[in-house]
Amino acid sequence: AQSVTQLGSHVSVSEGALVLLRCNYSSSVPPYLFWYVQYPNQGLQLLLKYTSAATLVKGINGFEAEFKKSETSFHLTKPSAHMSDAAEYFCAVRLNFGNEKLTFGTGTRLTIIP
Amino acid sequence: DSGVTQTPKHLITATGQRVTLRCSPRSGDLSVYWYQQSLDQGLQFLIHYYNGEERAKGNILERFSAQQFPDLHSELNLSSLELGDSALYFCASSPGTSGSQETQYFGPGTRLLVL
Repeated sequence: AQSVTQLGSHVSVSEGALVLLRCNYSSSVPPYLFWYVQYPNQGLQLLLKYTSAATLVKGINGFEAEFKKSETSFHLTKPSAHMSDAAEYFCAVRLNFGNEKLTFGTGTRLTIIP
Repeated sequence: DSGVTQTPKHLITATGQRVTLRCSPRSGDLSVYWYQQSLDQGLQFLIHYYNGEERAKGNILERFSAQQFPDLHSELNLSSLELGDSALYFCASSPGTSGSQETQYFGPGTRLLVL
């Protein structure tokens, strides 16, 4: 079975500061990993995904994430936070065969301080 | 806009009632997934359909059922509703041809409130 842990249900950063949202996964087989963002009253939008092609993945809106197998981590970063980044962020894992469901973490709410 | 549409956007109903949530996937997508988002359970996978056939079931209650029609739209039926069924229900779709690395595109959701 696969699972995802997101450390920190709430993260606050100042505008222009580094954003770091943590995600650790557990999977018995090589996983595929995803980061989604949810703005208030909206659906989930894919930010980026890791599908074993490259360990450093670049996504939309300046976000990137690095897959570290030794640390079972897939942390999301952005060098400089913008007010429009305020949202809830979800890390998700999917096995690379069999059931194709996404298993989500509990989410991290990002607040940007002006 | 993901290209996935869900209706209705909001639904208010009473305990014991039955409702139907509808999802139209992106053009050409064969796979449809349903997820439930609630404050206490977070985002949970309910069920997956591929080209009209059920592929996988998650934490879906027996009071809930779904189907995917020949035109590929899907419906999630919730019956004997309880207060605890109040949640945001998302539909997602993907092409269904490239396995687990495919992106799932989410609709805007249906917010269900059971009173």
